[in-house]
Amino acid sequence: KAGVTQTPRYLIKTRGQQVTLSCSPISGHRSVSWYQQTPGQGLQFLFEYFSETQRNKGNFPGRFSGRQFSNSRSEMNVSTLELGDSALYLCASSLEGPRTFGPGTRLTVL
Amino acid sequence: QKEVEQDPGPLSVPEGAIVSLNCTYSNSAFQYFMWYRQYSRKGPELLMYTYSSGNKEDGRFTAQVDKSSKYISLFIRDSQPSDSATYLCAMSTTGNQFYFGTGTSLTVIP
Repeated sequence: KAGVTQTPRYLIKTRGQQVTLSCSPISGHRSVSWYQQTPGQGLQFLFEYFSETQRNKGNFPGRFSGRQFSNSRSEMNVSTLELGDSALYLCASSLEGPRTFGPGTRLTVL
Repeated sequence: QKEVEQDPGPLSVPEGAIVSLNCTYSNSAFQYFMWYRQYSRKGPELLMYTYSSGNKEDGRFTAQVDKSSKYISLFIRDSQPSDSATYLCAMSTTGNQFYFGTGTSLTVIP
């Protein structure tokens, strides 16, 4: 069974730009969550989608948005990038219960 | 106060040592407890998953939950250099939304 895949794996952007990250969950998993991981803050929850609906949301500004498609694939968008958005962005999927994480997208904002 | 507190380390032990990793939490409603292992430049992978109190053993790994003290532990017996990674604890009330510790960095020296 293929795991969670994320594209791209690495991304370099400049301040003010926007970025879209993609996540394909494990086949059959309908829940997709997104997390931001930084050395200082650890794993911070961004949002969770289930059957195309946002089910939970963390404490991030409106520049961070997401969506889920009917095939459960999910995208995350960050607009007007700031230096502090540099992080590893992790996608995780599940049926219910523990999350299975993808390898992450490392975003660097210059 | 953070929902989940975890000592970031770093922790350095000789090969063969017993390792003890710990997390404390404030929300008494947490019922699901997980440990993840994250290698450098990879996503977290689920190591142990327990429900409610008690111990769970899987090979060299033992997860322990003490709900009365709001304290969970992961023990690694006969530690190996391949165990060098960051270990994250995670908890949930309903099995849907998860709260993560910041991770403890472990190095096992050959």
